[in-house]
Amino acid sequence: EVQLVESGGGLVQPGGSLRLSCTASGLTFSDYSMNWVRQAPGKGLEWISYIRSDSSIIYYADSVEGRFTISRDNVKSSVFLQMNSLRDEDTAVYYCVRDHIWAMDVWGQGTTVTVSS
Amino acid sequence: QSVLTQPPSVSAAPGQKVTISCSASSSNIANNFVSWYQQFPGTAPKLLIYDNYKRPSGIPDRFSASKSGTSATLAITGLQSGDGADYFCAMWHISLTTGPVFGGGTKLTVL
Repeated sequence: EVQLVESGGGLVQPGGSLRLSCTASGLTFSDYSMNWVRQAPGKGLEWISYIRSDSSIIYYADSVEGRFTISRDNVKSSVFLQMNSLRDEDTAVYYCVRDHIWAMDVWGQGTTVTVSS
Repeated sequence: QSVLTQPPSVSAAPGQKVTISCSASSSNIANNFVSWYQQFPGTAPKLLIYDNYKRPSGIPDRFSASKSGTSATLAITGLQSGDGADYFCAMWHISLTTGPVFGGGTKLTVL
């Protein structure tokens, strides 16, 4: 069974930083591109970042460009999201999601990030 | 990129059919791929439909989808009480030069 497990969420003050991790199991991680998607409380889904299987291509949503950095370690079957200059509006559940080309087929359980003073 | 508009809520009785629309702000979405996700409260979304109309393994054929012109539609037939959830559409451009846009979501209530 394919599993994605996120960690690293928590409470952080505005302007602070946080690093999310996602560890995959049950798949050949290096074969897959990965995404991060977030969901603010009571709101819809927002895609925020994509990284190709070999890290050769990376995309960000405009809302996080320049503040967030996605990376991966295929040896450790992990993908990361470094979040800097956090704002109140970054408060959300962050999901690690496997890419399926024009879809996202496996979702982690999510990790909660709360930005508040 | 297009903005995707979904109705905030839909409802229908058990056994009935319901459709959920996903309308794009751009003039035509022929070069876009739509997927649909189901989400129960407090849980992660689940892929229901990909490549406009294809179902992943394990998704019952009560769930179907189509795309035409500037909109996509998810249809659920033979509604069951367990289908009550939030449903989101998402759209990728065929070029894959950026990530997807999500619709705002539709809450399905099974009466």
